[in-house]
Amino acid sequence: DTGVSQNPRHKITKRGQNVTFRCDPISEHNRLYWYRQTLGQGPEFLTYFQNEAQLEKSRLLSDRFSAERPKGSFSTLEIQRTEQGDSAMYLCASSLGGGAGNTIYFGEGSWLTVV
Amino acid sequence: AQTVTQSQPEMSVQEAETVTLSCTYDTSENNYYLFWYKQPPSRQMILVIRQEAYKQQNATENRFSVNFQKAAKSFSLKISDSQLGDTAMYFCAFMSGGSNYKLTFGKGTLLTVNP
Repeated sequence: DTGVSQNPRHKITKRGQNVTFRCDPISEHNRLYWYRQTLGQGPEFLTYFQNEAQLEKSRLLSDRFSAERPKGSFSTLEIQRTEQGDSAMYLCASSLGGGAGNTIYFGEGSWLTVV
Repeated sequence: AQTVTQSQPEMSVQEAETVTLSCTYDTSENNYYLFWYKQPPSRQMILVIRQEAYKQQNATENRFSVNFQKAAKSFSLKISDSQLGDTAMYFCAFMSGGSNYKLTFGKGTLLTVNP
């Protein structure tokens, strides 16, 4: 069990550029989540997948954001035409199945700075 | 929509002493789950303790215990015998029993354990 892995850990980009983050969940975890965390705030839910199906998207996820999990394993979160307000830490998490009895494991996060 | 409130932005405690972190939440649901997560500096968030709302008994995990007051919608975390490694941000989180995938977090409490 290597934990949830996120890459890159840090990304600085110019406003208007596109960025992509990758998340590798714990092996065999069929649920994968994306959260966003800004300084001084708790994480906010963005979206989640069960296997390859994206089952819910928060209204925080504007049209510039897209997430995929093509084979039900790793996931990518792409932000197009980045804005300064996108600067945040993007957290990925995974769990085995549903139910709060199954612990949700978080990665270390990917920090995005838009300049 | 559910809300989670942590009224203590920062707290400090001496090593080996006991500290209590407060959390209140608002929901109209009867079936839900509550969590405390720990986020050490530059490290991933990990689950400290969970409580099922239908259980009257307060959850305990080694030095960590909760005081769950369902009627008051209060969910405090007690850390006994505080250790330097307990220094971290602590987040209280809520999960609806009907949608067992989305965590709603409070803003967090920064706990510093002093030697």
